[in-house]
Amino acid sequence: DVQLVESGGGLVQPGGSLKLSCAASGFTFSGSAIHWVRQASGKGLEWLGRIRSKGNNDATAYAASVRDRFTISRDDSKSTAYLLMNSLKIEDTALYYCARLGYGDFEGWGQGTLVTVSS
Amino acid sequence: QSALTQPASVSASPGQSITISCTGTSRDVGYYNLVSWYHQHPGKAPKLMIFEVTKRPSGVSYRFSGSKSGNTASLTISGLQAEDEGDYYCFSYAGSGTLVFGGGTKLTVL
Repeated sequence: DVQLVESGGGLVQPGGSLKLSCAASGFTFSGSAIHWVRQASGKGLEWLGRIRSKGNNDATAYAASVRDRFTISRDDSKSTAYLLMNSLKIEDTALYYCARLGYGDFEGWGQGTLVTVSS
Repeated sequence: QSALTQPASVSASPGQSITISCTGTSRDVGYYNLVSWYHQHPGKAPKLMIFEVTKRPSGVSYRFSGSKSGNTASLTISGLQAEDEGDYYCFSYAGSGTLVFGGGTKLTVL
């Protein structure tokens, strides 16, 4: 079974940085794209970006709303993907999910890690 | 890259059928057959219900079906059951490696 576990969330001041991790198991991580999605409390889902596999040049793509501040990376030796968030704003407060999307029956989501941006 | 448009809410009685629409543009929903639908219960991660417009993952009830016409995709749920309540999101490829969700639709089973 696809398993994804996010970590690294917490309280951060506006303007600060935070790096989230997504530990994967149950599938061939090195061959998979990984996505990041967030959800503010009581709001809808927002796709943030994705990183493709090394076979696809680790290509990244981002939503316009975070393109200049967020960076996705991966370490296949650790089966872990990362989301580095810089210049955080209060409106970045949300539950952050990593997910293996676009694989039909073999999709998977983590349970999320909470990021709170507040002074 | 604007969010896809969904109705905010829909409601129906058990046993009835409902359809949730998801309207995009000719650059996303209308161009690619890469629309998915997710169901989310409060406090839970989303669950894939439909992918590639019409395909159902194994384990998802036949009561769920997807379709697309022009720039609008639709999710139909037949024979509504109480467990179908929750939020439904459409999700589409939007070109250049990007994807976009709909704003979500809250389904209430009366």
